[in-house]
Amino acid sequence: AQSVTQPDIHITVSEGASLELRCNYSYGATPYLFWYVQSPGQGLQLLLKYFSGDTLVQGIKGFEAEFKRSQSSFNLRKPSVHWSDAAEYFCAVASIKAAGNKLTFGGGTRVLVKP
Amino acid sequence: DAMVIQNPRYQVTQFGKPVTLSCSQTLNHNVMYWYQQKSSQAPKLLFHYYDKDFNNEADTPDNFQSRRPNTSFCFLDIRSPGLGDAAMYLCATSGVTGVDETQYFGPGTRLLVL
Repeated sequence: AQSVTQPDIHITVSEGASLELRCNYSYGATPYLFWYVQSPGQGLQLLLKYFSGDTLVQGIKGFEAEFKRSQSSFNLRKPSVHWSDAAEYFCAVASIKAAGNKLTFGGGTRVLVKP
Repeated sequence: DAMVIQNPRYQVTQFGKPVTLSCSQTLNHNVMYWYQQKSSQAPKLLFHYYDKDFNNEADTPDNFQSRRPNTSFCFLDIRSPGLGDAAMYLCATSGVTGVDETQYFGPGTRLLVL
């Protein structure tokens, strides 16, 4: 069965500092991987996704993620954090089927940005 | 802009009183999903529709039902809400394999059960 682990429940970072969120997955085949962000009381917004090809993926809001098959990881990074990046971040792996896919989410990492 | 819309954004109901949450999409996606998200937890898939085919998750309580009258709309019915059903309910849509498997989420409906 597929699974996703986000080891860090909370991360506090100063505005302007770099951010890295960890994600480890377990999946039998080539994974379809996603990062979503959720602001309080809101739905999930897609930041980026990896299906195949270049293992460094660029997303919205200045985020990027790197797929490392050997480490079963898909870590999210941002070089310089803005106060508006304070939110909860979810990593997910998809089991792709003909009749729709099933996302398995990690537990999430809550990011707090200090001024 | 193509999008996923959920109404209402906030819903208050009484213990045991049936409630319906609504989701619509302008993405023309074949697949629509319903998730339940409790406080400080990850979203949990309840069920999904592939066109008119309903796919229930094994651990989804019978209290939760869904209807999809057409491509654009999907409803979540909670027949007898309990206090434990208070949560954020998220609707998502996706295409199918080879088209766009990415799930796009609506803003959610927060349900409060009194």
